[in-house]
Amino acid sequence: GAGVSQSPRYKVAKRGQDVALRCDPISGHVSLFWYQQALGQGPEFLTYFQNEAQLDKSGLPSDRFFAERPEGSVSTLKIQRTQQEDSAVYLCASSPGGSLNTEAFFGQGTRLTVV
Amino acid sequence: QKEVEQNSGPLSVPEGAIASLNCTYSDRGSQSFFWYRQYSGKSPELIMFIYSNGDKEDGRFTAQLNKASQYVSLLIRDSQPSDSATYLCALKYSGAGSYQLTFGKGTKLSVIP
Repeated sequence: GAGVSQSPRYKVAKRGQDVALRCDPISGHVSLFWYQQALGQGPEFLTYFQNEAQLDKSGLPSDRFFAERPEGSVSTLKIQRTQQEDSAVYLCASSPGGSLNTEAFFGQGTRLTVV
Repeated sequence: QKEVEQNSGPLSVPEGAIASLNCTYSDRGSQSFFWYRQYSGKSPELIMFIYSNGDKEDGRFTAQLNKASQYVSLLIRDSQPSDSATYLCALKYSGAGSYQLTFGKGTKLSVIP
């Protein structure tokens, strides 16, 4: 595709509900990142995939958060038993490879509101 | 703890003036530095990156890096109302195999017509 696509754009979940957020990266991009952006804050790293391998999940805030990229393309971020503190914009980014000087392209994000 | 500090603003400048956005960081292992612009409700978009000490210019934008002082800045010349946005400073550091970006909280810039 032309850019990184995320769906849904908006999600309202009742506390305790499970949610799944989808990211479709730019075709051919090896690296895929998930970030969480709270209101008024900068994005914070959650997890990183190189192709289908999840190489870094150090930013996941709890074991309720789970991410996968089974075929090395589309990725899903799943949040189980959502809590109010999970309310944020979830950003996906992809890049052609992993290096210090490689640009990451961001999707529009999914705004999750837990009520 | 690898931190990136930015003044949250808002920074207000008149149209046509130079806007100066500043960022400091704590980790001397930081290698690459990125400036992203984020309009309200939109995703971050890259303006430019820098990894060598000194200045790097791209159109109306100049990034400045001083690794000894752990300081990076972004200058916007001839500021336009369309430049009004939040500017995010981010870095990548060696030792993070995933090369993820570590962001500051952002500085909100308002260009007054």
